[in-house]
Amino acid sequence: ETGVTQTPRHLVMGMTNKKSLKCEQHLGHNAMYWYKQSAKKPLELMFVYSLEERVENNSVPSRFSPECPNSSHLFLHLHTLQPEDSALYLCASSQASGDYNSPLHFGNGTRLTVT
Amino acid sequence: QKEVEQDPGPLSVPEGAIVSLNCTYSNSAFQYFMWYRQYSRKGPELLMYTYSSGNKEDGRFTAQVDKSSKYISLFIRDSQPSDSATYLCAMSRIDSNYQLIWGAGTKLIIKP
Repeated sequence: ETGVTQTPRHLVMGMTNKKSLKCEQHLGHNAMYWYKQSAKKPLELMFVYSLEERVENNSVPSRFSPECPNSSHLFLHLHTLQPEDSALYLCASSQASGDYNSPLHFGNGTRLTVT
Repeated sequence: QKEVEQDPGPLSVPEGAIVSLNCTYSNSAFQYFMWYRQYSRKGPELLMYTYSSGNKEDGRFTAQVDKSSKYISLFIRDSQPSDSATYLCAMSRIDSNYQLIWGAGTKLIIKP
């Protein structure tokens, strides 16, 4: 496996369910990110982790809970979601956060539908 | 007013045409400018990256930054059907700790 891998690719969940999104990077990077992508809207940065420490939390509702157990893995735990949370959730990694010569490498995303 | 404006398209052009994709922005503090390409059902991938003003060329792609007009462009020469994708611009300030500000993306369709 190379690059950034996200599972599952698709997820349908009810508003009362609890689920988790998983991201794994095989690039030896030190920073990992969660982004939300909605149709015809700019990417929204949700969380940034640098060396497993959360360095950014962009006023994301508490029904989204990130976890970074090590520099290769990132999770997004979901509970009590709303239909407007339906979107493509993208994980990304970079060599370092805040380094402009360190581009983002994205996974292919998890398409989440909340019913 | 959005910080970054990008026409969502779709922009449909015949194969071989020169394509011009553009973003305008309002924050004069932006210094780093990037173009990402996103194929259907894939994540974005970095295409071009420029600092401050000027041009940068990579094969058939040219990125141009005009800071006086707060306008960036991506030109694609000899466009191919494989260039069909959504193109996202992104930019950041030098002190933003990698808080990229994104455009909404332009969907490009190259017709064979």
